[in-house]
Amino acid sequence: AQSVTQLDSHVSVSEGTPVLLRCNYSSSYSPSLFWYVQHPNKGLQLLLKYTSAATLVKGINGFEAEFKKSETSFHLTKPSAHMRDAAEYFCVVSVGSGGYNKLIFGAGTRLAVHP
Amino acid sequence: EAGVTQFPSHSVIEKGQTVTLRCDPISGHDNLYWYRRVMGKEIKFLLHFVKESKQDESGMPNNRFLAERTGGTYSTLKVQPAELEDSGVYFCASRPRTGRNTEAFFGQGTRLTVV
Repeated sequence: AQSVTQLDSHVSVSEGTPVLLRCNYSSSYSPSLFWYVQHPNKGLQLLLKYTSAATLVKGINGFEAEFKKSETSFHLTKPSAHMRDAAEYFCVVSVGSGGYNKLIFGAGTRLAVHP
Repeated sequence: EAGVTQFPSHSVIEKGQTVTLRCDPISGHDNLYWYRRVMGKEIKFLLHFVKESKQDESGMPNNRFLAERTGGTYSTLKVQPAELEDSGVYFCASRPRTGRNTEAFFGQGTRLTVV
């Protein structure tokens, strides 16, 4: 079965320092992977998605993620954190085929950004 | 273009009562999903509609939950009778077409509290 594992439930960084949110996936074939973000009292918003076109995927707000098949990873990074990046981040895999298709979520990583 | 809209944003009900949650997907999106996040737990899949048909309801917890999507437009999720463990945030999402690579658009969620 396909799944994703987010390795950290909480990450804390200082403003201006790099962000690394880790995600490993389990899949028997080339997966479709997404990162979503949820700010407080907001809905889930797509940051970026991997669909096998390119291993390095750039998303919104300066985030990017690299798909590494050899490590079964899809870690989310950002060179310099801003206060507004404080939110919860979800690594998501799309499973199924044809008309049967759904998203499976990781447990989430809560990012805190300190001044 | 309007996004996915959910009503109400919050609901507090007593154990044993009935609550109906509503989701209006993005116009033209055939695929509609319900997800739930119980406090401290992962976001879990509940069910998937394609137009008015239930494609996959494998995530529905029990027969106290009933989802409908009359006419393939908006959807309702009824909980009757509600139990304490039903508390959580219920998310709705829509997708324009089925496919592993397709982004899902989420509503802001309905926070249900059963007391």
